Amino acid sequence: AQSVTQPDIHITVSEGASLELRCNYSYGATPYLFWYVQSPGQGLQLLLKYFSGDTLVQGIKGFEAEFKRSQSSFNLRKPSVHWSDAAEYFCAVGASGSARQLTFGSGTQLTVLP
Amino acid sequence: DTAVSQTPKYLVTQMGNDKSIKCEQNLGHDTMYWYKQDSKKFLKIMFSYNNKELIINETVPNRFSPKSPDKAHLNLHINSLELGDSAVYFCASRGTTSDTQYFGPGTRLTVL
Repeated sequence: AQSVTQPDIHITVSEGASLELRCNYSYGATPYLFWYVQSPGQGLQLLLKYFSGDTLVQGIKGFEAEFKRSQSSFNLRKPSVHWSDAAEYFCAVGASGSARQLTFGSGTQLTVLP
Repeated sequence: DTAVSQTPKYLVTQMGNDKSIKCEQNLGHDTMYWYKQDSKKFLKIMFSYNNKELIINETVPNRFSPKSPDKAHLNLHINSLELGDSAVYFCASRGTTSDTQYFGPGTRLTVL
């Protein structure tokens, strides 16, 4: 069965600093990987996704993520964090069956200090 | 225009009551989902429908009954509500040729 681990429950960074959120997955085949962001009281917004091809993927809001098969990781990065980036971030892996349901990690809460 | 919408946004009710949450998508997608987010923000798949047919039914109490009247709508009916049903319920949809799911804004259910 697939699983996703986000080892950091809470990360605090200063505005303007760089950010890396960790995600490790367990999946038998080539995974479909996603990062979603959830702002307080809001739904889930897709930041970026990886299906195949270039292992460095660019997303919205200046985010990028790198797929590393050897490490079973899909870490999210941003070179300079803005106060508006404060939110909960979820990594997810998509199943390969017809439903393609998502299995989510437990999330990382990002706090941005002024 | 909202792509995936849910009603109501908030739902507060007493234990033992029956309630429904509605979801509609205007993206022309064939597959729709219900996810539950618990108090620790953990998200878990509950159900998935493809063209009005149930294709995923995770280990969910049979008090929960999804219904898809057409491929643009997926409703969730919950009987005999319990305290543990308090959560945020998210609807999502996906097109046949895509692996990307689009989520609704969520419905926060509080059972007193």
